[in-house]
Amino acid sequence: KAGVTQTPRYLIKTRGQQVTLSCSPISGHRSVSWYQQTPGQGLQFLFEYFSETQRNKGNFPGRFSGRQFSNSRSEMNVSTLELGDSALYLCASSFLAQDNEQFFGPGTRLTVL
Amino acid sequence: KQEVTQIPAALSVPEGENLVLNCSFTDSAIYNLQWFRQDPGKGLTSLLLIQSSQREQTSGRLNASLDKSSGRSTLYIAASQPGDSATYLCAVKWTNTGANSKLTFGKGITLSVRP
Repeated sequence: KAGVTQTPRYLIKTRGQQVTLSCSPISGHRSVSWYQQTPGQGLQFLFEYFSETQRNKGNFPGRFSGRQFSNSRSEMNVSTLELGDSALYLCASSFLAQDNEQFFGPGTRLTVL
Repeated sequence: KQEVTQIPAALSVPEGENLVLNCSFTDSAIYNLQWFRQDPGKGLTSLLLIQSSQREQTSGRLNASLDKSSGRSTLYIAASQPGDSATYLCAVKWTNTGANSKLTFGKGITLSVRP
């Protein structure tokens, strides 16, 4: 069974640009969550999607948005990039939202210059 | 505020040593707790998931325990090997987050096992 996949693996952007990251969950998983990981703040929850609906959102500005498609694949978008958005963005999937083990993808390393 | 703490931030041990990694959390109303491993620049690998009703889980040389009343979980690694060198993260899902998957992570413990 294939794991969680994320594309692209690496991205370099400049301030002010926007970026879209993609996540394909494990087959059959309906919940997809996104996290930002930085050396200073650690792993912070961005948002979670379940059956194409956003179920929860972390404390991030509106520049961060996401969506989920009918096949459970998810995308997150960051507009008007800032230097502080440089981070590893991780996606996690689980079968059901509540008590199931969460599986993470390899991440997308975003560098903002 | 619901927080997860992992101390110390780094640990170095000789190969073969049995070791315990600690995780503490501020609110005992947890739904489950998950331990992950992260290699440098990589994603997270799930090691063990402990539901609120469980006291421990085992997988190979790993054993994780949960004590909700004291707000603690420990990850026990038996007979450590250089390949165990990585950062170990503890993550909690609290009951008041409802029917969603939000995890709150500790900052992790970077483990180095010396040959």
